[in-house]
Amino acid sequence: KAGVTQTPRYLIKTRGQQVTLSCSPISGHRSVSWYQQTPGQGLQFLFEYFSETQRNKGNFPGRFSGRQFSNSRSEMNVSTLELGDSALYLCASSLFSGAEGEQYFGPGTRLTVT
Amino acid sequence: TQLLEQSPQFLSIQEGENLTVYCNSSSVFSSLQWYRQEPGEGPVLLVTVVTGGEVKKLKRLTFQFGDARKDSSLHITAAQTGDTGLYLCAGSPYGQNFVFGPGTRLSVLP
Repeated sequence: KAGVTQTPRYLIKTRGQQVTLSCSPISGHRSVSWYQQTPGQGLQFLFEYFSETQRNKGNFPGRFSGRQFSNSRSEMNVSTLELGDSALYLCASSLFSGAEGEQYFGPGTRLTVT
Repeated sequence: TQLLEQSPQFLSIQEGENLTVYCNSSSVFSSLQWYRQEPGEGPVLLVTVVTGGEVKKLKRLTFQFGDARKDSSLHITAAQTGDTGLYLCAGSPYGQNFVFGPGTRLSVLP
């Protein structure tokens, strides 16, 4: 069974631009969660989508948004990029929503904002 | 303040030694998960502990969930260089979003 895939793996953007990251979950998984990982803050929860609906949202500004498609693939968008948005963005898929399901992570997208 | 605290933050040991890392919180968790993350990769799930007082063994790794469901420990016996990585605990306090601890960075030297 194929694992979680994320594209692109690496991305360099400049301040003020926007970016879209993609995540394909494990086949059959309906939950996709997004996390931001930085050396200073560690892994922080962005949001979770389950069956195309946002179920939970972390404490991030509205510049961070996401969506999920009917095939469970998910995209995350960050608008008006800031230097502090440089991070490893991870998505995780799960059979169930929230704490009920074990999460399986993709390799991440390394975003650098210059 | 972190909802989940992990200690130690860094640990460097020789191959063959034993070690224990800890995950603590003032909140009660329905379950806790342990992950290992290697540089440039996403975290890999090692185990989920669900029942207070539960002990799970996976080869040389032993995981324990505290009776009060507020803490957990990971013990590695006879560490190997392949155990090197960032060990993260994670869980969802009742009614709250999923959270991760800051991690313990383990280095096992040959």
